[in-house]
Amino acid sequence: DIVMTQSPDSLVVSLGERATINCKASQSVLYTSNNKNYLAWYQQKPGQPPKLLIYWASARASGVPDRFSGSGSGTDFTFTISSLQAEDVAVYYCQQYYGTPSFGQGTKLEIK
Amino acid sequence: QVQLQESGPGLVKPSETLSLTCTVSGASISTYYWSWIRQPPGKTLEWIGYIYYTGDTNSNPSLKSRVTISMDTSLNQVSLKLSSVTAADTAVYYCAASGIDLVHDYWGQGALVTVSS
Repeated sequence: DIVMTQSPDSLVVSLGERATINCKASQSVLYTSNNKNYLAWYQQKPGQPPKLLIYWASARASGVPDRFSGSGSGTDFTFTISSLQAEDVAVYYCQQYYGTPSFGQGTKLEIK
Repeated sequence: QVQLQESGPGLVKPSETLSLTCTVSGASISTYYWSWIRQPPGKTLEWIGYIYYTGDTNSNPSLKSRVTISMDTSLNQVSLKLSSVTAADTAVYYCAASGIDLVHDYWGQGALVTVSS
């Protein structure tokens, strides 16, 4: 099983500032035959299902604002919100789909 | 717009079988892979398994022995059965749609199932 570990568990950021979340996989999720990282990011607001934001580690899903971005390769990944908006308060999860899908423990993002 | 709606009993007794149905609208059930994912209160997400319209299924090894996922294409429904439940199976159960890559583009609102006598 591939274990996904996010850091930090919680994050407090001022409006308009940058928010950064890290995700580390217990083994590489880079499939060398197609050079793709099998890593996605989701946003979950209270009482709602998760919403897909990023897939293939850095591709934005349809309709996702460009303040959301993802980067990284192999085992280490970063999710960034370039300028935090009030509506971005949520829990963020990384998910690998290289093997049996698994999720990180989540990072709770709040506004300072 | 793909819409998914989970339904089923909200309370199941220990040792019994949890049964949920996901009704799909806005898309043909043959278009996507249909997964079940659960989330215990205050915890992270756990992928349970998927089914494709061809009948191809796969499930999380940690749950495989207790999981049955099936499909009724005439009703555009996907079903989950989880046997021998315990309190640890208490969770919100989501139905989700993806491609073969298992990136989940569409989610239902979820159904809370509590296991208690």
